[in-house]
Amino acid sequence: TQLLEQSPQFLSIQEGENLTVYCNSSSVFSSLQWYRQEPGEGPVLLVTVVTGGEVKKLKRLTFQFGDARKDSSLHITAAQPGDTGLYLCAGLNTDKLIFGTGTRLQVFP
Amino acid sequence: DARVTQTPRHKVTEMGQEVTMRCQPILGHNTVFWYRQTMMQGLELLAYFRNRAPLDDSGMPKDRFSAEMPDATLATLKIQPSEPRDSAVYFCASGFGDTDTQYFGPGTRLTVL
Repeated sequence: TQLLEQSPQFLSIQEGENLTVYCNSSSVFSSLQWYRQEPGEGPVLLVTVVTGGEVKKLKRLTFQFGDARKDSSLHITAAQPGDTGLYLCAGLNTDKLIFGTGTRLQVFP
Repeated sequence: DARVTQTPRHKVTEMGQEVTMRCQPILGHNTVFWYRQTMMQGLELLAYFRNRAPLDDSGMPKDRFSAEMPDATLATLKIQPSEPRDSAVYFCASGFGDTDTQYFGPGTRLTVL
């Protein structure tokens, strides 16, 4: 069974702080995605990383795919209350997504 | 504004009752996924279809769950009989071809008493 472990599980920070969320697996994935989910809604895709070592930036969010394509990280610079939500990583295996355990982020003003 | 729609948004039922959840994928999408989300297990894939044919339902309890696509604009997930452990949020997502981009619906929150 492929598992994606995320850490930390919960994160509460003040506006303006930086944070990093990690997504780790013992399995290799062809690509890895990050989603954000807000209460009462479905997950929304933020980014897909495909190549080992790839780094993608989305405004204040930086995503990195590990060289071995087994792990990934999400770094948020100067977090804002609007960043609050559940962050999910998901590894693509053929055409099925395996979702991580999730990181619940709360950013206080 | 193309979106995946799901009905009902909330469902409360008693143990033993049949539950049917519906999903309308984004027009033109040919792949439909059903997921279940709980606090304990996170987001789990139950089943998915491509061009209305079931490709994988290994994540679904076969004895009580069934998923169908009567036509390209409707996917259904049925639980019969329902049990309290089925309480969860059920999401439908759609995509096109073998692209890895999935668009999620707002979910159906099911509570089985």
